[in-house]
Formats: sequence, structure tokens, C-alpha cells
Amino acid sequence: EAQVTQNPRYLITVTGKKLTVTCSQNMNHEYMSWYRQDPGLGLRQIYYSMNVEVTDKGDVPEGYKVSRKEKRNFPLILESPSPNQTSLYFCASRPGLPGGGELFFGEGSRLTVL
Amino acid sequence: AQKITQTQPGMFVQEKEAVTLDCTYDTSDQSYGLFWYKQPSSGEMIFLIYQGSYDEQNATEGRYSLNFQKARKSANLVISASQLGDSAMYFCAMRDLYGGSQGNLIFGKGTKLSVKP
Repeated sequence: EAQVTQNPRYLITVTGKKLTVTCSQNMNHEYMSWYRQDPGLGLRQIYYSMNVEVTDKGDVPEGYKVSRKEKRNFPLILESPSPNQTSLYFCASRPGLPGGGELFFGEGSRLTVL
Repeated sequence: AQKITQTQPGMFVQEKEAVTLDCTYDTSDQSYGLFWYKQPSSGEMIFLIYQGSYDEQNATEGRYSLNFQKARKSANLVISASQLGDSAMYFCAMRDLYGGSQGNLIFGKGTKLSVKP
């Protein structure tokens, strides 16, 4: 089954404790992206990757890091989480071809930082 | 810069009636795509429908249709014969199709649709 898998789905952590949200897709997609969703703000892009070893900042990259060492994986790293990073996070992927089609989303990871 | 505007934070519709969710966009790109996603209370993002800027006909997918008016830069979603399961958050989104803005998908703030029995 074609899918984007995120882990963990739910996490409660404390300020300053480093955490990683993993994302993996099995569709051989070149393009991958992370979004955060906050009430009243819609989805805002954090980082994206056009292919292996190619990453770039989105609209709200502060406090986050990413890496793309393999095509299928695109982890999101919070080095020192703060309460304003409490949010619902989505990983998504699509083919990198011109046009590219719709984004396929993971099920979301709800993060609470105390 | 690209921008998506959804002016209806919340809407109600009677079951079995049709409803239109508004979306306007702003872009200087010539080739772009418009998307609608549904987010039920369970949280997942479900792709509904796509319209390309050069598509001459409005897109349809089952009970969903996209009323695309290019000159007005609007891409409204029409849901016919509303069902209780249509109660959800709906997001309009767009992106350049051929490299501009890196093809990143930008979203509106969403419209919460509630279907009344």
C-alpha cells in the first residue's frame, strides 16, 4: 500500500529535550516536505527536499532541522523544543516530475512541548 | 508571492443540500495547480480534487466539483448532496507546476464545514 508513515503519532515532551519525528514514504517520490498546522493558521511549510541531499527552508524553519540521506526518509529534528512548537506536524511527498500531482500526506504527529 | 484566501472560517449546510466553499488565489505564475483537501476530525489530510490552470473544463470527482474562474482567480469547491460525513475542515491549496517557488504547496487557512441532519 502506498503510504507516508510518520512516527511518533503522539508525543508529549519537555522544553529542551531533543526529539526526532521520522517520516518514510514507499512511493519512490523525489519531493518531500514538512508542515505544521496550528488553529486559524492553516498549514505552513517548515522544510522541503527536492531529492536526496537537497533540502531547503520553507516559511517557518526556525527551531527545526531536517536531513535527506535516503530517498525514502525525511526526519524532522527539534534540537531544543519550546512550547511554541506545540503543533500538529505533517510529512508529505509527491513525485518530483514537472507537474508532480498531489501531495500525499502522512497521518500527522501531534506534539506537545511542556 | 503566492497566496490563498479562504474567507469562510465556518459554514453550515443541511444534509442533502449543495454547498460552495470559497477560495481565491494570487499568483504570477502561468502554470499552476489548485487542490482541495479534506481534514476530518481524525486529523488526516485527504486529497479531493485538482484543477490545472490550463484545464479548460472544471474538474469533477464524484460529488465534488471545482468551479474554476481563472480571470477572477477563484477556485471554489462545490459539494453536492451533502452527507454527515462531509463535516470536516476543508483546505484550498495551490502550487506552481513547473519549478517556480520550487513547486511548494501553499495552503489557505481552511473552512470548517458542519452538515446538519
